[in-house]
Amino acid sequence: DIQMTQSPSTLSASVGDRVTITCRASQSISSWLAWYQQKPGKVPELLIYKATSVKSGVPSRFSGSGSGTEFTLTISSLQPGDLATYYCQQYNSYPRTFGQGTKVEIK
Amino acid sequence: EVQLVESGGGLVQPGGSLRLSCAASGFTFSNYWMNWVRQAPGKGLEWVANIKQDGSEKYYVDSVKGRFSISRDNAKNSLYLQMSSLRADDTAIFHCAVTWGMPGGFDIWGQGTMVTVSS
Repeated sequence: DIQMTQSPSTLSASVGDRVTITCRASQSISSWLAWYQQKPGKVPELLIYKATSVKSGVPSRFSGSGSGTEFTLTISSLQPGDLATYYCQQYNSYPRTFGQGTKVEIK
Repeated sequence: EVQLVESGGGLVQPGGSLRLSCAASGFTFSNYWMNWVRQAPGKGLEWVANIKQDGSEKYYVDSVKGRFSISRDNAKNSLYLQMSSLRADDTAIFHCAVTWGMPGGFDIWGQGTMVTVSS
């Protein structure tokens, strides 16, 4: 199975800060990676697919980069509504696997 | 509106069985792979299983193989998860999810149904 490891597990940042979350795969997954945002008490929402493609309707401050085994999700200017847990997920092979999540807190 | 609505969750004793359902609407259900994803209370997301459009291929996470069975009825626009030999660590919200409008990732999720395994 492909293990997905996110770092950090928690981060605290101020409104307007640039935030970067890293996701590492235990083996190459090419660009078959998605990022999700899960706000407290809500269902996860897809932000990014194929590592770098931003889903229509997602604010432009969200971007994704990387390929192979190392990926990042960047929020260019953190907003109060970005309080959430973010998950990466590989869909290169079975079983599909998620990272453990990164909780983003607002200072 | 594209929508997934799960049902069938509840309280079950360890070793028991439960059948979850997911009703799809707003899209051509028979054209899409369908998935189950679960989330234990306070924990992260775990993909459970998926099934091909015609039901000919099914994949499972190791922890449920031999205990869970995914199926679908395209005539009823419905997805199912038959769960048996349930354990306490199966306690979770179970969501159905689909890659619908985007060529990757799950862009449509149901609200989920809670399964609690406890004596």
